Amino acid sequence: GENVEQHPSTLSVQEGDSAVIKCTYSDSASNYFPWYKQELGKRPQLIIDIRSNVGEKKDQRIAVTLNKTAKHFSLHITETQPEDSAVYFCAASSRNTGNQFYFGTGTSLTVIP
Amino acid sequence: SAVISQKPSRDICQRGTSLTIQCQVDSQVTMMFWYRQQPGQSLTLIATANQGSEATYESGFVIDKFPISRPNLTFSTLTVSNMSPEDSSIYLCSVGVEGYTFGSGTRLTVV
Repeated sequence: GENVEQHPSTLSVQEGDSAVIKCTYSDSASNYFPWYKQELGKRPQLIIDIRSNVGEKKDQRIAVTLNKTAKHFSLHITETQPEDSAVYFCAASSRNTGNQFYFGTGTSLTVIP
Repeated sequence: SAVISQKPSRDICQRGTSLTIQCQVDSQVTMMFWYRQQPGQSLTLIATANQGSEATYESGFVIDKFPISRPNLTFSTLTVSNMSPEDSSIYLCSVGVEGYTFGSGTRLTVV
């Protein structure tokens, strides 16, 4: 099955700086890569996603890049704000195996005001 | 995106008992997914529930422990059976082809 690794497990940045979270996946059939933000005590919320036919996608301060050859993808948050503090999860899925999402281990991001 | 109503939101149960968690979706969906999130951990897929067929379980999860029902395209239940303290966790259902929507979760504490 799919194995998704995520780094770092914790990340602290100063407000206004950028944050980068990286994930690798093992199954070359994976073709969809979403990122979720989970605030304390709340359900995960989708913040951005990318499909395997795209190398980069951006939505305001958030961007995701995908390198299919190397099987890794990254989340980039620019101009971080305190409200960006949360746990972020990457995931990978494949239509070939039923659209199940396999999640990374999570990154706890703290933005210091 | 779909809206999911999940209940109960939390429960405290005695070991050896069972708890059934329900998820109701506001639209018809082919697949529903059940996840477990242990404290401070990631989300682990328990099983995939398709309407009209038996659920497909991930490695480490078995039907006797986590029976799932999927009577129609908008509803599913997950039962945590013969509970032990190790089952204390948050259980979430989700739906979606891409961009999962999650239920609000059930925080289970087994004492």
